[in-house]
Amino acid sequence: QKEVEQNSGPLSVPEGAIASLNCTYSDRGSQSFFWYRQYSGKSPELIMFIYSNGDKEDGRFTAQLNKASQYVSLLIRDSQPSDSATYLCAVMMDSSYKLIFGSGTRLLVRP
Amino acid sequence: NAGVTQTPKFQVLKTGQSMTLQCAQDMNHNSMYWYRQDPGMGLRLIYYSASEGTTDKGEVPNGYNVSRLNKREFSLRLESAAPSQTSVYFCASRQANQPQHFGDGTRLSIL
Repeated sequence: QKEVEQNSGPLSVPEGAIASLNCTYSDRGSQSFFWYRQYSGKSPELIMFIYSNGDKEDGRFTAQLNKASQYVSLLIRDSQPSDSATYLCAVMMDSSYKLIFGSGTRLLVRP
Repeated sequence: NAGVTQTPKFQVLKTGQSMTLQCAQDMNHNSMYWYRQDPGMGLRLIYYSASEGTTDKGEVPNGYNVSRLNKREFSLRLESAAPSQTSVYFCASRQANQPQHFGDGTRLSIL
């Protein structure tokens, strides 16, 4: 079982819709959770991070964390074609400095 | 602000050749990381350095060595390159309790 799981997609949504990206993780002791966006041929770019159960909002982005169910999600409201990218979920599983990444979900926003 | 700088950006090697990938950060971060990313996959940790003077293995360390030269610089060495090491290599750095910042990557092909 992979430690961080994501659906590879592609997830296709129309412009203006809400895109919902999900991630599950295996280690109940995981402490910190990150969402990175990666455009083709570019480096990962941090979108959101969340440490506590519940929701965290930043502009059009909302990260949701449910530690009991071991999942973290990213909602993108009013999706734009420029949001088309691969979204990587990353989990810091303990007090080490290591991040474990999922394989990413490719999002396509149709104009 | 340069952030995390990786050199070179592109490199082609022949099987058996050696190569050092360079990474430098100007953010005074304590921790530095080397990842590799293969097509359709997330990032896999090769080695990391939690602080100056320390290095530790990640998920896929075989075939690589690292040196934390000083607080700014963290290099990755391939002693005898193999085609399986064809990948995109990313360096990252972070300060305690903060997300990782990534360099632009080195695209390495081994023939």
